[in-house]
Amino acid sequence: DTAVSQTPKYLVTQMGNDKSIKCEQNLGHDTMYWYKQDSKKFLKIMFSYNNKELIINETVPNRFSPKSPDKAHLNLHINSLELGDSAVYFCASSQGTVPEQYFGPGTRLTVT
Amino acid sequence: AQSVTQPDIHITVSEGASLELRCNYSYGATPYLFWYVQSPGQGLQLLLKYFSGDTLVQGIKGFEAEFKRSQSSFNLRKPSVHWSDAAEYFCAVVPYNQGGKLIFGQGTELSVKP
Repeated sequence: DTAVSQTPKYLVTQMGNDKSIKCEQNLGHDTMYWYKQDSKKFLKIMFSYNNKELIINETVPNRFSPKSPDKAHLNLHINSLELGDSAVYFCASSQGTVPEQYFGPGTRLTVT
Repeated sequence: AQSVTQPDIHITVSEGASLELRCNYSYGATPYLFWYVQSPGQGLQLLLKYFSGDTLVQGIKGFEAEFKRSQSSFNLRKPSVHWSDAAEYFCAVVPYNQGGKLIFGQGTELSVKP
């Protein structure tokens, strides 16, 4: 059983398009996160939701909009894609105040 | 400034040799401390964590790490490296009162020579 899953695994699209990445966790956790890994492999948090409520919103362009329909799902929608959005996006989850996070396999986004 | 530093960008060790990957952090209060591993094209897997208590922690795959408060360090060790350990290793912290935000070091790429 996959604990944290993401779809799609690869996403190739053109500049200006709108795309979504989906994340689901079956660990029963109440907190979910999005991280971005750039071409130098540097990882940085983007957003965090706790029980469907946004609790972390880093300085991310407002073209990025997370949505959490329930505490097991956290989706990331990106409008007007730019070349600089090319990266690997990781979803993660944790439970309550326990800071231990479990990561999904990542979605490699390539904008051409 | 608050940060997590992994001084070694790339390390090469021979199979069977011992390994130590360095991590230093700069935070006022001791944060929660983690090591993650990322194999090529894969996600991040938690190797081990330190919250409090015994300063030597054991993790998966034969890894251990030692927390040294006086040096603000959390170095990762393995007594005998296997070829399958070749990967990218990330030290990370969750500072107190920052809502679970993981702050990552730059990563250390480990290569293993046969």
